[in-house]
Amino acid sequence: DAKTTQPNSMESNEEEPVHLPCNHSTISGTDYIHWYRQLPSQGPEYVIHGLTSNVNNRMASLAIAEDRKSSTLILHRATLRDAAVYYCVSNSNSGYALNFGKGTSLLVTP
Amino acid sequence: DAGITQSPRHKVTETGTPVTLRCHQTENHRYMYWYRQDPGHGLRLIHYSYGVKDTDKGEVSDGYSVSRSKTEDFLLTLESATSSQTSVYFCAISVFGGGGTGFTDTQYFGPGTRLTVL
Repeated sequence: DAKTTQPNSMESNEEEPVHLPCNHSTISGTDYIHWYRQLPSQGPEYVIHGLTSNVNNRMASLAIAEDRKSSTLILHRATLRDAAVYYCVSNSNSGYALNFGKGTSLLVTP
Repeated sequence: DAGITQSPRHKVTETGTPVTLRCHQTENHRYMYWYRQDPGHGLRLIHYSYGVKDTDKGEVSDGYSVSRSKTEDFLLTLESATSSQTSVYFCAISVFGGGGTGFTDTQYFGPGTRLTVL
């Protein structure tokens, strides 16, 4: 079971880039890294995932370390709507269920 | 939003009463999950299903049962609710895909059910 470690909280100014780190030193060679976020009073929503290469989509970028023991979610220009809890997750022992930790609470200030 | 609905959205019940929460999906996905979310614990898996009548336990399954008689519905039952089961319950489905040398799934979550057991 690949355990992930994230800071409890981070703060950013609006319109600045945000780099959210995640450590996953026990990840196996075929496990993907997934990122989800949860806005207040809503269910988690998918952000991005990757295996070995850096990935980009309309929401964010994902930078994965060459040794795959860590990754960074990059929000290029934080907005107030990006204030959420961000989860870095990996496959759990229970088949295809995802193993959510406690995530990083991102505060975005004007 | 992958067409996931949960009902009820809010429920208050008393200790010892049975409670059933429903998750409904409209896109015929095979895998469905029930999570609970509590302050300080993040999301924890209760049960999941990998097909009609195929279910398995998750991390915190004690006190819960599930049923899946149709692809579109996944029911979570608290046979005798306790105050420790006060929580927000999320249903999710998996959409599978892969690339490179791996195989993975993306999960889509419902809006949640807030359950209070007095």
